[in-house]
Amino acid sequence: EAGVAQSPRYKIIEKRQSVAFWCNPISGHATLYWYQQILGQGPKLLIQFQNNGVVDDSQLPKDRFSAERLKGVDSTLKIQPAKLEDSAVYLCASSLVMGSYNEQFFGPGTRLTVL
Amino acid sequence: DAKTTQPNSMESNEEEPVHLPCNHSTISGTDYIHWYRQLPSQGPEYVIHGLTSNVNNRMASLAIAEDRKSSTLILHRATLRDAAVYYCILRGVVGATNKLIFGTGTLLAVQP
Repeated sequence: EAGVAQSPRYKIIEKRQSVAFWCNPISGHATLYWYQQILGQGPKLLIQFQNNGVVDDSQLPKDRFSAERLKGVDSTLKIQPAKLEDSAVYLCASSLVMGSYNEQFFGPGTRLTVL
Repeated sequence: DAKTTQPNSMESNEEEPVHLPCNHSTISGTDYIHWYRQLPSQGPEYVIHGLTSNVNNRMASLAIAEDRKSSTLILHRATLRDAAVYYCILRGVVGATNKLIFGTGTLLAVQP
């Protein structure tokens, strides 16, 4: 079974530039998550989708971050404009459905460096 | 959010058992105890979860205290590949409590 795919794996940009990350979840998984992981910390949930609807975006800095999941499959996360503190690994995860017993499967992440 | 406390780091020798502790004194009756691990340069991966009874799977065992205020992840024979950050996470059943909220975890080093 193919895992969660993410691209690009690495991205270096200058502050105030824009960047987008792409995620393809495991086939059939209805729930998709984006996490931000700053060096030395655990991942922090930014946004959660159930099919193509947003379930939780309480931790998403909406003045600069946006995310969409058109057609309930692939998803993109965008930062515009980027700040130095956005340097982090951005992880995408998916699960079959929501629920406390449902395992989340994580992709390898995109490492963003903002100069 | 119900919180967990884990040691920052632990060391083990290859092929020996490893016991990773987690304290969660404010756990509620409906919180599940989940363990994920994150290998270097990879996303986290699920290890095991439980509610009240001890659990075993192909990766590890989870021992849950009778009062549920602590738990221990047991790797029966550590390998070099088990070197990772291990996260102990409480997950509620619905809504905001269902989120995976990661702490800083325990960094496990395995010596050959």
